[in-house]
Amino acid sequence: AQSVTQLGSHVSVSEGALVLLRCNYSSSVPPYLFWYVQYPNQGLQLLLKYTTGATLVKGINGFEAEFKKSETSFHLTKPSAHMSDAAEYFCAVSEWTGGFKTIFGAGTRLFVKA
Amino acid sequence: NAGVTQTPKFQVLKTGQSMTLQCAQDMNHEYMSWYRQDPGMGLRLIHYSVGAGITDQGEVPNGYNVSRSTTEDFPLRLLSAAPSQTSVYFCASMRGNEYNSPLHFGNGTRLTVT
Repeated sequence: AQSVTQLGSHVSVSEGALVLLRCNYSSSVPPYLFWYVQYPNQGLQLLLKYTTGATLVKGINGFEAEFKKSETSFHLTKPSAHMSDAAEYFCAVSEWTGGFKTIFGAGTRLFVKA
Repeated sequence: NAGVTQTPKFQVLKTGQSMTLQCAQDMNHEYMSWYRQDPGMGLRLIHYSVGAGITDQGEVPNGYNVSRSTTEDFPLRLLSAAPSQTSVYFCASMRGNEYNSPLHFGNGTRLTVT
């Protein structure tokens, strides 16, 4: 079964600084990878999803993710953090192993300092 | 569009009580699922359904029952609530059974079992 590891349960950046949230997945061909964002007291919403053949995937709100098959990574970045980016971010992978499932990482809470 | 609607938003139960968490979607999605979210553990899949009349277990199915009599509704039943079931529950739906389709989430039900 697939697994997803997010490094760092909390990340703190200053407004305007680079955001980097790390995600590694267990090897599978092909991987079906997603990033979701959760704002307080809300459900998760899709930030971006991996498209087969792409190395850089663009999402909403200026976020993008780089797929590196050799490192089994799908890290999320944003060049300049905004206060409104403060939320929890989840990396996820979909698989079919005796049934269709989407497996989530433990999440990374992003704090943005003024 | 209402999307995925969950009721109630909050619920407090005593140990041993039963209840049903409701989930409805108006997007004609074939796939529906229930997750629980606990601090530091991300989202864990409880049960899912790939269409009306078809359900299957996820990672943590014990203590929960589901049924899918219509495409729109996917209720989650707790037969005898336990304190370990204190959590935030999310219902999610997805178009088709394609691996790279994103999940659409409801806003969650916060359940406390005393």
